Amino acid sequence: QKEVEQNSGPLSVPEGAIASLNCTYSDRGSQSFFWYRQYSGKSPELIMSIYSNGDKEDGRFTAQLNKASQYVSLLIRDSQPSDSATYLCAVTNSGYALNFGKGTSLLVTP
Amino acid sequence: DAGITQSPRHKVTETGTPVTLRCHQTENHRYMYWYRQDPGHGLRLIHYSYGVKDTDKGEVSDGYSVSRSKTEDFLLTLESATSSQTSVYFCAISEGGTGNSGELFFGEGSRLTVL
Repeated sequence: QKEVEQNSGPLSVPEGAIASLNCTYSDRGSQSFFWYRQYSGKSPELIMSIYSNGDKEDGRFTAQLNKASQYVSLLIRDSQPSDSATYLCAVTNSGYALNFGKGTSLLVTP
Repeated sequence: DAGITQSPRHKVTETGTPVTLRCHQTENHRYMYWYRQDPGHGLRLIHYSYGVKDTDKGEVSDGYSVSRSKTEDFLLTLESATSSQTSVYFCAISEGGTGNSGELFFGEGSRLTVL
């Protein structure tokens, strides 16, 4: 079974700080990597995708990928209380579906 | 919002009874997925479909079957429900699979309790 590992948290950061979320994966053949956000009691929604090594920025979010280290991260700048949610790392498997990590709970305190 | 509807949204049933969850999409996407989400386990793939009548198993398929007779509908059946199948079930759709797209649109979830 291909593994996607995340620290479950909770990760607590003050408002305005940078939140750093990390994910490691075991399948060296994985090509596509995603971050989903899930608010309590809601369904997951895609916030970032990354396919090649390096950084990808979208607004306050930056995804970072290092395939050699099998590591993907998500940085959230200027964190807001509305960013408080569970963040799911997802990695393509050899088929047509995504493997998800168990998620990291983020709490942004005012 | 992606047009995905799951039904029922909530269901309580008894051990040993069959249960069918329905996922209906209006996006005409080729790929459809059923995941379950449990505390401590995250999202786990049950079954997926890559076209009408084309389905495959995920990592936790035992005790579940699926059918897709139309592009828009993907049914998940618990043949004989057990308490271990108490969970939140999410349907998801994708236009191009999970290659360079990878964007799964999720339904609102169906909370199933098996007593």
